[in-house]
Amino acid sequence: DTEVTQTPKHLVMGMTNKKSLKCEQHMGHRAMYWYKQKAKKPPELMFVYSYEKLSINESVPSRFSPECPNSSLLNLHLHALQPEDSALYLCASSTSWANTEAFFGQGTRLTVV
Amino acid sequence: KNEVEQSPQNLTAQEGEFITINCSYSVGISALHWLQQHPGGGIVSLFMLSSGKKKHGRLIATINIQEKHSSLHITASHPRDSAVYICAVRHSGGGADGLTFGKGTHLIIQP
Repeated sequence: DTEVTQTPKHLVMGMTNKKSLKCEQHMGHRAMYWYKQKAKKPPELMFVYSYEKLSINESVPSRFSPECPNSSLLNLHLHALQPEDSALYLCASSTSWANTEAFFGQGTRLTVV
Repeated sequence: KNEVEQSPQNLTAQEGEFITINCSYSVGISALHWLQQHPGGGIVSLFMLSSGKKKHGRLIATINIQEKHSSLHITASHPRDSAVYICAVRHSGGGADGLTFGKGTHLIIQP
């Protein structure tokens, strides 16, 4: 199994809603990542979890709250988002070593209305 | 200046043509990745390079560490190769520190 599975694929939410994005992998990878990608732009790193601990937070606003409940799951909790947060949110995983391949999910396309 | 620069930004070619996409980077890296992204979003990893050359089917990737430059080649291009190709680097220093991406090359192969 070399898949990273993200749910949901599409999400529309209001600015007062609370929602969560989910990411799952069963490759035994101990590093998991959240990226944000705006239209026609490259992905931008948001968070890195290594061995279920948050190791990098790229100055992401607190309305985005990551969680890694176990080595296979990564969540991104969303609250009080703004329309400019509408984007494709990509999850990725890799082993924790530097020279290893990264596996990406299909992404969640989020629209904030 | 971006840490990862790709060229060209857009490329339209005829089916069967030999395609080259270039990537230059300005930082020390432990690895360079070539990725493919189709409309709809999902990213597929094509190659991970830390030296030399790799080949997979019609795709070839090379890297010159001294010159901080990599190329992705597609031989006998086909319309299904149409996608955005992204160069991304992992900074040297080890560990899980995410990728820094180039802006991507939007490739269209016309039949």
